[in-house]
Amino acid sequence: ELKVEQNPLFLSMQEGKNYTIYCNYSTTSDRLYWYRQDPGKSLESLFVLLSNGAVKQEGRLMASLDTKARLSTLHITAAVHDLSATYFCAVDPRGRGGSEKLVFGKGTKLTVNP
Amino acid sequence: DGGITQSPKYLFRKEGQNVTLSCEQNLNHDAMYWYRQDPGQGLRLIYYSHIVNDFQKGDIAEGYSVSREKKESFPLTVTSAQKNPTAFYLCASSLSGQTHSNQPQHFGDGTRLSIL
Repeated sequence: ELKVEQNPLFLSMQEGKNYTIYCNYSTTSDRLYWYRQDPGKSLESLFVLLSNGAVKQEGRLMASLDTKARLSTLHITAAVHDLSATYFCAVDPRGRGGSEKLVFGKGTKLTVNP
Repeated sequence: DGGITQSPKYLFRKEGQNVTLSCEQNLNHDAMYWYRQDPGQGLRLIYYSHIVNDFQKGDIAEGYSVSREKKESFPLTVTSAQKNPTAFYLCASSLSGQTHSNQPQHFGDGTRLSIL
């Protein structure tokens, strides 16, 4: 059974600082997705990582995937308050095909303080 | 604009009552999913469907039922057998198959269900 673990689960950081969120998973997969959720809202897709060594960047966020280590990271550069949200990683346990039957981590609640 | 519409936004259930949550998408996606989210938790899969008239149980299907009579619609019924239904329910859809593996699941705005 695939398990997906994120850490930290809670992260409070100051504006302007850098930090990394980690997503470990327990079985082989080369399909990993990052989502953002604002309080009481839906999930917004951030990144789709489909192969070992994949790196995607959007603004102050950069995601990478190491399938051999079964690890993905979401790096935050020079955080701003607008990045405050909960971030989820999700893994496709079959490692192929569409984003079907994903297994989600518990999420990392990020708070960026002025 | 294409998207996923969930209704209602808030729903209250009396003890012993079945309630149905609506999910409609106009993205022409083959696959649809229902997730449950509890406070401080990730999403857990209830049911999913890759094609009309076919669906499979997810990890926490007990106390729930679904139907997929149309490609656009995937309603979820929370039955009286579900003893702890209070949660945030999210519907999602995606293109299906390996040729679409670069496409993420798209989510609706959710329905918050509470017990009266």
